[in-house]
Amino acid sequence: AQSVTQLDSQVPVFEEAPVELRCNYSSSVSVYLFWYVQYPNQGLQLLLKYLSGSTLVESINGFEAEFNKSQTSFHLRKPSVHISDTAEYFCAVSATSGTYKYIFGTGTRLKVLA
Amino acid sequence: GAVVSQHPSWVICKSGTSVKIECRSLDFQATTMFWYRQFPKQSLMLMATSNEGSKATYEQGVEKDKFLINHASLTLSTLTVTSAHPEDSSFYICSASDERGIDIWDGDTQYFGPGTRLTVL
Repeated sequence: AQSVTQLDSQVPVFEEAPVELRCNYSSSVSVYLFWYVQYPNQGLQLLLKYLSGSTLVESINGFEAEFNKSQTSFHLRKPSVHISDTAEYFCAVSATSGTYKYIFGTGTRLKVLA
Repeated sequence: GAVVSQHPSWVICKSGTSVKIECRSLDFQATTMFWYRQFPKQSLMLMATSNEGSKATYEQGVEKDKFLINHASLTLSTLTVTSAHPEDSSFYICSASDERGIDIWDGDTQYFGPGTRLTVL
């Protein structure tokens, strides 16, 4: 079984400042890792994912995450945030084989302040 | 590509009635669809997994007779909340994946619909 921990429920940060949203996971098998973003009253949008290969993955809007197997982490970072980045961010894992079910973290609410 | 739609986006119904929510993959064949429930300011809880042409697999604690799931085609899954009660009010989100890689190379990724907000009076 897998589990995901997002320690920070809320992260306030000023515009143009850097931000890191933490995600740690636990699993006895190999996993895929995902970050999704949810804007108010909307579904989830895929931000980025790690399936294999390079441990550093990037999104088109400036976010990046690094898969660290030894620390079982997949932290999300952005060097300079915008007001429009204000949203809920969910980390998820799924086993590389089997049912492909996602296990979600509890989410981190990023609030970008002017 | 990889767009998932849900209909309706919101619904209000009376207690005791049934409500059907549709989830469609618009530009790919969804071999597997998932239904989630999300309470305010909480994470998504997986309710069930459905594969095209077979019965859905429900998560522990989810009443299969109350939440009927049908995945009759590779582009459509429906969730019917039967005899709805106020405690069923929630945000229901579906997702779809193309695990056989028919249309999308990254079959492990789930693509989410915009969600349906159900309010039972």
